[in-house]
Amino acid sequence: KAGVTQTPRYLIKTRGQQVTLSCSPISGHRSVSWYQQTPGQGLQFLFEYFSETQRNKGNFPGRFSGRQFSNSRSEMNVSTLELGDSALYLCASSLYRTSYEQYFGPGTRLTVT
Amino acid sequence: GENVEQHPSTLSVQEGDSAVIKCTYSDSASNYFPWYKQELGKGPQLIIDIRSNVGEKKDQRIAVTLNKTAKHFSLHITETQPEDSAVYFCAAEPTGNQFYFGTGTSLTVIP
Repeated sequence: KAGVTQTPRYLIKTRGQQVTLSCSPISGHRSVSWYQQTPGQGLQFLFEYFSETQRNKGNFPGRFSGRQFSNSRSEMNVSTLELGDSALYLCASSLYRTSYEQYFGPGTRLTVT
Repeated sequence: GENVEQHPSTLSVQEGDSAVIKCTYSDSASNYFPWYKQELGKGPQLIIDIRSNVGEKKDQRIAVTLNKTAKHFSLHITETQPEDSAVYFCAAEPTGNQFYFGTGTSLTVIP
């Protein structure tokens, strides 16, 4: 079974631009969560989608948004990019919600200049 | 919200020795505790997990223990090998699929 895939793997953007990242979960998984990983803040939860609805949201500004499609694929969008948004963005999928194993993709490395 | 603390931040062991990483959490609502291994340039890989109704779980050379009363859980790796070298993260889940992660332990196994 294929794992979680994320595209693109690397991205360079300029301050003020916006970016969209894509995540395809493991086949059959219905929950997709997004995390931001930086050397200073570590792994931080952004939001979780299940059945096309956002179920949980972390402590990030409204510039960070996401959505989930009927096939469980998910996208996250960051508008008005700031230098501090440079990070590895990780997507994780899970079969259901609560106490189920989450499997991570390889991440998208976003650099904001 | 949940706060997960992880120690040590770095750990070096000789090949064949054991390694122990400890985590504490603050939210008594947390009931699921996974451990992840992250190698350079890769996403975190789930290596073992434990749920609150179990005190210990073992998978070959890896084991995890949980003390809900004290709110701490630990990862034990026995007979370490060079390929165990990586960054290890603990996590706690107080609510559906919202994981709070520790700050990571960089493990180096010296051949």
